[in-house]
Order: sequence, then structure tokens, then C-alpha cells
Amino acid sequence: EDQVTQSPEALRLQEGESSSLNCSYTVSGLRGLFWYRQDPGKGPEFLFTLYSAGEEKEKERLKATLTKKESFLHITAPKPEDSATYLCAVQAGRGSTLGRLYFGRGTQLTVWP
Amino acid sequence: ETGVTQTPRHLVMGMTNKKSLKCEQHLGHNAMYWYKQSAKKPLELMFVYSLEERVENNSVPSRFSPECPNSSHLFLHLHTLQPEDSALYLCASSQVWRGPWATSTDTQYFGPGTRLTVL
Repeated sequence: EDQVTQSPEALRLQEGESSSLNCSYTVSGLRGLFWYRQDPGKGPEFLFTLYSAGEEKEKERLKATLTKKESFLHITAPKPEDSATYLCAVQAGRGSTLGRLYFGRGTQLTVWP
Repeated sequence: ETGVTQTPRHLVMGMTNKKSLKCEQHLGHNAMYWYKQSAKKPLELMFVYSLEERVENNSVPSRFSPECPNSSHLFLHLHTLQPEDSALYLCASSQVWRGPWATSTDTQYFGPGTRLTVL
């Protein structure tokens, strides 16, 4: 059973069309929620870490928010270079293997001109 | 070199071959990880080395054997693999703190991966 669910699975946006990606999780004792960007054939690139509900972080056109059950990655006025797969991962506290991250399946974002 | 590096970037091997993947981190971290990424599946943790402790995912077959000679280098030795082992193998590193009441870890940084194809 997936502990991290990302939606939608794929998203196509026109350049400049803002939208949000969702990451919902069911782990107990959340230690941290991580967003990564992954380009085809490459390793995940770290974007944000969120630790507690209500926390928000921004980087260029991206803004990540966290509630007790889910996180959103808001993309404002996206550009074609924002096209990638966005991965969400959570680190649980209680009874979890040291450092273990539970990953979602990712949202594949395509931004067309 | 900066960050986390992996070699080779691409590897094609037969089912009877023995090969090794190498990972090196230049971030001064004290924990290293091996992940497997297959198409349409979430990243799957295979092994963790931290503070001289090895933790493994019990579902990883014995044909995968990790080695961590020091905190900067990590290897994954491969032998008699199966075609279903074809995937992107990712290495990551992070900092771990062990306190009197709990152990905590920081953000994991990933290498570029090794694309493995088993014929």
C-alpha cells in the first residue's frame, strides 16, 4: 500500500498557465517532506524540505506548502524548462528505518510554449 | 568533483557477469544509500550505511551486495543478475545525527545514477 500518493500522474500546461501538484501521505510521525525534480535519465535534484504543517518555501516559480496530510507544489507562470518529473518523499519518525524515504510515483509535468 | 558522483553512467551486462557500481560523495556526509528506480514505480530503498551501521531492505536479493569502505565511497557489487533487475540505480548521501533520545537525518542528495541493462 502506497504511503505517498502524488496526483495528477501527468500534467500538461501551456507556458504561463499556473497550477498545483499534490502529494498526500499516510506515514505517522512525519520527520520531513521533500520535493525533488527529476529530468529524464538523471538523478533527483533537491528542491525543498518541509518539516511542519503551515510551513511554506519558495524558489523562483515554485512554492511548496505543507498541511498535516498533504503537500502542494504550486507552479506560477511555468516555462518549458520547468518540464520534468516532480517527486515527493516523506521521512517517517516512529519505527522507521534510519533515513528511509517513502517516495511517490511522481507527477510528470510538460510545459509547452 | 562536487556533490555525488556515480560510475559508470551506463552498464550492459549478461546474466552471468559480475560487475560493480561505484558512488562517491564530496559533501562531507556520514550516510550513504542505494536506491533502485524502475519504470512506473516509486524509488525503492535498497541499502543504507550510516555511522558504520548497515541497514538493508529485506526484499533485496542476495545477488546485490553493497560495500562501504569509508563514509565517502559506496559500491554495489552485482552478480548473476536477472533481466528484471534492469533499472536506474541511484546513490544518495545525507548527514545523520545521533542524539541521546533520537537519531535524525537531513536532506538526501542524489547522484546522476547508473542505467543498468541486463540481457
